[in-house]
Amino acid sequence: GENVEQHPSTLSVQEGDSAVIKCTYSDSASNYFPWYKQELGKRPQLIIDIRSNVGEKKDQRIAVTLNKTAKHFSLHITETQPEDSAVYFCAASKGGYQKVTFGIGTKLQVIP
Amino acid sequence: NAGVTQTPKFRVLKTGQSMTLLCAQDMNHEYMYWYRQDPGMGLRLIHYSVGEGTTAKGEVPDGYNVSRLKKQNFLLGLESAAPSQTSVYFCASSYGRTGAYGYTFGSGTRLTVV
Repeated sequence: GENVEQHPSTLSVQEGDSAVIKCTYSDSASNYFPWYKQELGKRPQLIIDIRSNVGEKKDQRIAVTLNKTAKHFSLHITETQPEDSAVYFCAASKGGYQKVTFGIGTKLQVIP
Repeated sequence: NAGVTQTPKFRVLKTGQSMTLLCAQDMNHEYMYWYRQDPGMGLRLIHYSVGEGTTAKGEVPDGYNVSRLKKQNFLLGLESAAPSQTSVYFCASSYGRTGAYGYTFGSGTRLTVV
């Protein structure tokens, strides 16, 4: 089955700096890669996703890149703010009803 | 729209007791899922359903059963609770159609088995 590795497990950045979280996946048939943000005590929420026919996608301060050849994808957050502090999960699936496999999460702390 | 609603939010069980967690969605989503979240292990899929009347095993199905008698509801049952089932349980749903694969999660159920 699919295996998703995520690193780092914790990340501290100064407010205003950029943060990068990296993930690798094992199944070359995976074609859908979502990212979820989970604030303390809250539910995970989808923040951005990318499909295998796209190399990069941006939404304001967040962007995701995908390298299908290397089977890795990354989340980039620019101009970080304290409200970006949360646990971020990457995930991979073959789309549709195919189960989503999650990484173990990255705890991001933005220091004011 | 309420989205995805889970009940209860908290529960303490004694070893060997049984309980049912209810997940309800009002978004007409086809697919529903139950995950458990444990420290350092991310989110692991327990069972899932691709439509009314269907269920399938996920990554960690042992000790759990599920039912989806109505499209909007997905029930997770623990027949004989064990301390290893202490966890936070999340239900999620997705539309499943092309371009709409993202999950909407419920608010979670924190279960402690003593």
